[in-house]
Amino acid sequence: SAVISQKPSRDICQRGTSLTIQCQVDSQVTMMFWYRQQPGQSLTLIATANQGSEATYESGFVIDKFPISRPNLTFSTLTVSNMSPEDSSIYLCSVVGQGLYNEQFFGPGTRLTVL
Amino acid sequence: AQKVTQAQTEISVVEKEDVTLDCVYETRDTTYYLFWYKQPPSGELVFLIRRNSFDEQNEISGRYSWNFQKSTSSFNFTITASQVVDSAVYFCALSEAVGSNSGYALNFGKGTSLLVTP
Repeated sequence: SAVISQKPSRDICQRGTSLTIQCQVDSQVTMMFWYRQQPGQSLTLIATANQGSEATYESGFVIDKFPISRPNLTFSTLTVSNMSPEDSSIYLCSVVGQGLYNEQFFGPGTRLTVL
Repeated sequence: AQKVTQAQTEISVVEKEDVTLDCVYETRDTTYYLFWYKQPPSGELVFLIRRNSFDEQNEISGRYSWNFQKSTSSFNFTITASQVVDSAVYFCALSEAVGSNSGYALNFGKGTSLLVTP
Protein backbone atom coordinates (compact mmCIF):
# COMPACT_ATOMS: atom_id res chain seq x y z
CA SER A 1 0.00 0.00 0.00
CA ALA A 2 1.01 3.64 -0.34
CA VAL A 3 1.17 6.08 2.55
CA ILE A 4 0.03 9.55 1.58
CA SER A 5 0.33 12.74 3.56
CA GLN A 6 -1.23 16.10 2.85
CA LYS A 7 -0.42 19.57 4.08
CA PRO A 8 -2.13 21.48 5.48
CA SER A 9 -4.67 19.23 7.12
CA ARG A 10 -7.06 22.15 7.40
CA ASP A 11 -7.12 25.86 6.82
CA ILE A 12 -9.42 28.82 7.05
CA CYS A 13 -8.85 31.36 4.32
CA GLN A 14 -10.20 34.68 3.23
CA ARG A 15 -12.10 35.21 0.03
CA GLY A 16 -9.87 36.14 -2.89
CA THR A 17 -6.73 34.48 -1.58
CA SER A 18 -5.07 31.29 -2.80
CA LEU A 19 -4.01 28.13 -0.99
CA THR A 20 -1.55 25.50 -2.14
CA ILE A 21 -2.11 21.96 -0.91
CA GLN A 22 0.76 19.50 -0.90
CA CYS A 23 0.54 15.76 -1.40
CA GLN A 24 3.48 13.53 -0.55
CA VAL A 25 3.62 9.79 -1.24
CA ASP A 26 6.06 7.37 0.36
CA SER A 27 6.74 5.57 -2.92
CA GLN A 28 7.06 6.46 -6.58
CA VAL A 29 3.73 6.44 -8.39
CA THR A 30 2.83 7.36 -11.90
CA MET A 31 -0.81 8.27 -11.51
CA MET A 32 -2.04 10.80 -9.02
CA PHE A 33 -5.48 12.30 -8.76
CA TRP A 34 -7.02 15.29 -7.00
CA TYR A 35 -10.60 15.09 -5.77
CA ARG A 36 -12.94 17.56 -4.12
CA GLN A 37 -15.60 16.68 -1.60
CA GLN A 38 -18.00 19.50 -0.91
CA PRO A 39 -19.83 19.45 2.43
CA GLY A 40 -22.15 16.47 2.68
CA GLN A 41 -21.41 15.44 -0.88
CA SER A 42 -19.58 12.70 -2.70
CA LEU A 43 -16.11 12.97 -4.19
CA THR A 44 -15.62 14.59 -7.57
CA LEU A 45 -12.48 14.25 -9.64
CA ILE A 46 -10.76 17.57 -10.30
CA ALA A 47 -7.82 16.42 -12.38
CA THR A 48 -5.33 13.70 -13.14
CA ALA A 49 -1.71 14.59 -12.55
CA ASN A 50 0.82 12.25 -14.13
CA GLN A 51 4.48 13.04 -13.86
CA GLY A 52 5.97 14.34 -17.06
CA SER A 53 2.76 15.59 -18.58
CA GLU A 54 0.29 18.39 -18.11
CA ALA A 55 -2.55 17.75 -15.73
CA THR A 56 -5.81 16.65 -17.30
CA TYR A 57 -8.83 18.48 -15.93
CA GLU A 58 -12.37 17.20 -15.68
CA SER A 59 -15.35 19.10 -16.96
CA GLY A 60 -16.08 22.05 -14.72
CA PHE A 61 -12.52 22.48 -13.50
CA VAL A 62 -9.93 24.73 -15.15
CA ILE A 63 -6.22 25.19 -14.78
CA ASP A 64 -6.48 28.87 -13.91
CA LYS A 65 -8.59 28.06 -10.88
CA PHE A 66 -6.84 24.82 -9.85
CA PRO A 67 -3.26 24.84 -11.08
CA ILE A 68 -1.45 21.58 -10.39
CA SER A 69 2.23 20.75 -10.28
CA ARG A 70 3.76 17.28 -10.42
CA PRO A 71 7.51 17.77 -10.24
CA ASN A 72 8.39 14.14 -9.46
CA LEU A 73 6.92 10.71 -8.82
CA THR A 74 6.29 11.26 -5.10
CA PHE A 75 4.91 14.78 -4.88
CA SER A 76 2.17 17.03 -6.23
CA THR A 77 0.52 20.30 -5.35
CA LEU A 78 -2.94 21.65 -6.00
CA THR A 79 -3.58 25.37 -5.71
CA VAL A 80 -7.05 26.72 -5.12
CA SER A 81 -6.91 30.22 -6.59
CA ASN A 82 -8.97 33.32 -5.93
CA MET A 83 -11.04 31.43 -3.40
CA SER A 84 -14.71 31.97 -2.69
CA PRO A 85 -16.92 30.36 -0.03
CA GLU A 86 -18.07 27.85 -2.67
CA ASP A 87 -14.55 26.41 -2.63
CA SER A 88 -15.00 25.28 0.96
CA SER A 89 -14.46 21.55 0.67
CA ILE A 90 -12.21 18.68 1.55
CA TYR A 91 -9.51 18.24 -1.07
CA LEU A 92 -8.01 14.78 -1.38
CA CYS A 93 -5.17 13.39 -3.40
CA SER A 94 -5.05 9.76 -4.35
CA VAL A 95 -2.63 7.43 -6.08
CA VAL A 96 -2.89 4.20 -7.95
CA GLY A 97 -0.81 1.51 -6.32
CA GLN A 98 1.88 -0.40 -8.11
CA GLY A 99 0.07 -3.70 -7.80
CA LEU A 100 -1.85 -5.42 -10.55
CA TYR A 101 -5.29 -4.60 -9.36
CA ASN A 102 -5.77 -0.89 -9.59
CA GLU A 103 -5.86 -0.27 -5.88
CA GLN A 104 -6.30 3.36 -5.04
CA PHE A 105 -5.17 4.98 -1.86
CA PHE A 106 -6.26 8.34 -0.54
CA GLY A 107 -4.54 10.97 1.51
CA PRO A 108 -6.15 12.19 4.73
CA GLY A 109 -7.56 15.24 2.98
CA THR A 110 -7.26 19.00 3.43
CA ARG A 111 -10.32 20.61 4.96
CA LEU A 112 -10.64 24.11 3.52
CA THR A 113 -13.02 26.76 4.79
CA VAL A 114 -13.29 30.02 2.89
CA LEU A 115 -14.84 32.97 4.68
CA ALA B 1 -20.44 7.27 -19.39
CA GLN B 2 -20.03 5.64 -16.06
CA LYS B 3 -22.52 6.08 -13.28
CA VAL B 4 -22.81 4.76 -9.75
CA THR B 5 -26.09 4.89 -7.84
CA GLN B 6 -26.43 4.47 -4.13
CA ALA B 7 -30.14 4.89 -3.63
CA GLN B 8 -30.01 4.76 0.16
CA THR B 9 -28.90 8.14 1.46
CA GLU B 10 -29.22 7.30 5.16
CA ILE B 11 -29.70 4.08 7.08
CA SER B 12 -30.15 3.75 10.81
CA VAL B 13 -29.90 0.40 12.56
CA VAL B 14 -29.56 -0.84 16.09
CA GLU B 15 -26.35 -2.53 17.07
CA LYS B 16 -26.12 -6.22 16.13
CA GLU B 17 -28.54 -5.88 13.24
CA ASP B 18 -27.41 -6.85 9.76
CA VAL B 19 -27.48 -4.10 7.15
CA THR B 20 -27.04 -4.11 3.39
CA LEU B 21 -25.87 -1.11 1.42
CA ASP B 22 -26.92 -1.12 -2.20
CA CYS B 23 -24.81 -0.09 -5.18
CA VAL B 24 -25.91 -0.17 -8.81
CA TYR B 25 -23.57 0.85 -11.59
CA GLU B 26 -23.65 1.64 -15.27
CA THR B 27 -20.77 1.28 -17.68
CA ARG B 28 -20.17 0.41 -21.31
CA ASP B 29 -16.78 -1.06 -20.54
CA THR B 30 -16.31 -4.79 -20.37
CA THR B 31 -13.36 -4.40 -18.05
CA TYR B 32 -13.82 -2.30 -14.94
CA TYR B 33 -13.24 -2.24 -11.21
CA LEU B 34 -15.67 -1.71 -8.37
CA PHE B 35 -14.71 -0.39 -4.96
CA TRP B 36 -16.17 0.29 -1.56
CA TYR B 37 -14.72 2.91 0.74
CA LYS B 38 -15.63 3.87 4.30
CA GLN B 39 -15.46 7.47 5.45
CA PRO B 40 -15.80 7.76 9.24
CA PRO B 41 -16.54 11.11 10.88
CA SER B 42 -12.83 11.87 10.98
CA GLY B 43 -12.97 12.23 7.21
CA GLU B 44 -10.32 9.89 5.88
CA LEU B 45 -11.26 7.41 3.17
CA VAL B 46 -10.66 3.81 4.13
CA PHE B 47 -10.35 1.28 1.33
CA LEU B 48 -12.56 -1.77 1.94
CA ILE B 49 -12.58 -3.83 -1.23
CA ARG B 50 -11.85 -3.87 -4.93
CA ARG B 51 -13.50 -6.26 -7.36
CA ASN B 52 -12.74 -6.59 -11.06
CA SER B 53 -15.44 -7.20 -13.61
CA PHE B 54 -14.29 -10.73 -14.38
CA ASP B 55 -14.52 -11.95 -10.85
CA GLU B 56 -18.09 -12.45 -9.72
CA GLN B 57 -17.24 -14.46 -6.65
CA ASN B 58 -18.73 -13.07 -3.50
CA GLU B 59 -16.29 -12.13 -0.80
CA ILE B 60 -16.44 -12.27 2.95
CA SER B 61 -14.07 -10.48 5.29
CA GLY B 62 -15.02 -10.83 8.91
CA ARG B 63 -18.37 -9.15 9.38
CA TYR B 64 -18.25 -7.67 5.90
CA SER B 65 -19.45 -9.36 2.74
CA TRP B 66 -19.94 -8.26 -0.82
CA ASN B 67 -22.34 -9.57 -3.46
CA PHE B 68 -21.32 -8.77 -7.04
CA GLN B 69 -23.91 -9.57 -9.71
CA LYS B 70 -23.14 -8.48 -13.26
CA SER B 71 -26.60 -9.54 -14.42
CA THR B 72 -28.13 -6.77 -12.34
CA SER B 73 -25.07 -4.46 -12.36
CA SER B 74 -25.01 -4.46 -8.59
CA PHE B 75 -22.27 -4.63 -6.01
CA ASN B 76 -23.97 -4.70 -2.62
CA PHE B 77 -22.24 -4.56 0.73
CA THR B 78 -23.52 -6.29 3.86
CA ILE B 79 -22.38 -5.70 7.41
CA THR B 80 -23.32 -8.52 9.75
CA ALA B 81 -23.92 -7.87 13.43
CA SER B 82 -23.32 -4.15 13.05
CA GLN B 83 -21.40 -2.21 15.65
CA VAL B 84 -21.38 1.44 16.65
CA VAL B 85 -17.91 1.79 15.09
CA ASP B 86 -19.44 0.95 11.73
CA SER B 87 -21.16 4.34 11.73
CA ALA B 88 -19.77 6.16 8.71
CA VAL B 89 -20.51 7.17 5.16
CA TYR B 90 -19.90 4.35 2.72
CA PHE B 91 -19.06 5.04 -0.90
CA CYS B 92 -19.28 2.71 -3.84
CA ALA B 93 -17.06 3.61 -6.78
CA LEU B 94 -16.28 2.45 -10.30
CA SER B 95 -13.24 2.82 -12.52
CA GLU B 96 -12.15 1.68 -15.93
CA ALA B 97 -9.20 -0.65 -16.06
CA VAL B 98 -7.46 0.99 -18.96
CA GLY B 99 -7.89 3.93 -21.23
CA SER B 100 -7.06 7.59 -20.96
CA ASN B 101 -4.95 9.18 -18.32
CA SER B 102 -7.96 9.43 -16.09
CA GLY B 103 -9.08 5.89 -16.83
CA TYR B 104 -8.14 4.74 -13.38
CA ALA B 105 -9.92 7.63 -11.68
CA LEU B 106 -12.85 6.72 -9.52
CA ASN B 107 -16.45 7.61 -10.23
CA PHE B 108 -18.14 7.72 -6.84
CA GLY B 109 -21.71 7.19 -5.83
CA LYS B 110 -23.29 9.78 -3.54
CA GLY B 111 -22.67 7.63 -0.50
CA THR B 112 -24.84 6.03 2.15
CA SER B 113 -24.67 7.37 5.67
CA LEU B 114 -24.94 4.52 8.15
CA LEU B 115 -25.76 5.19 11.77
CA VAL B 116 -25.52 2.32 14.22
CA THR B 117 -27.01 3.04 17.60
CA PRO B 118 -26.40 1.09 20.81
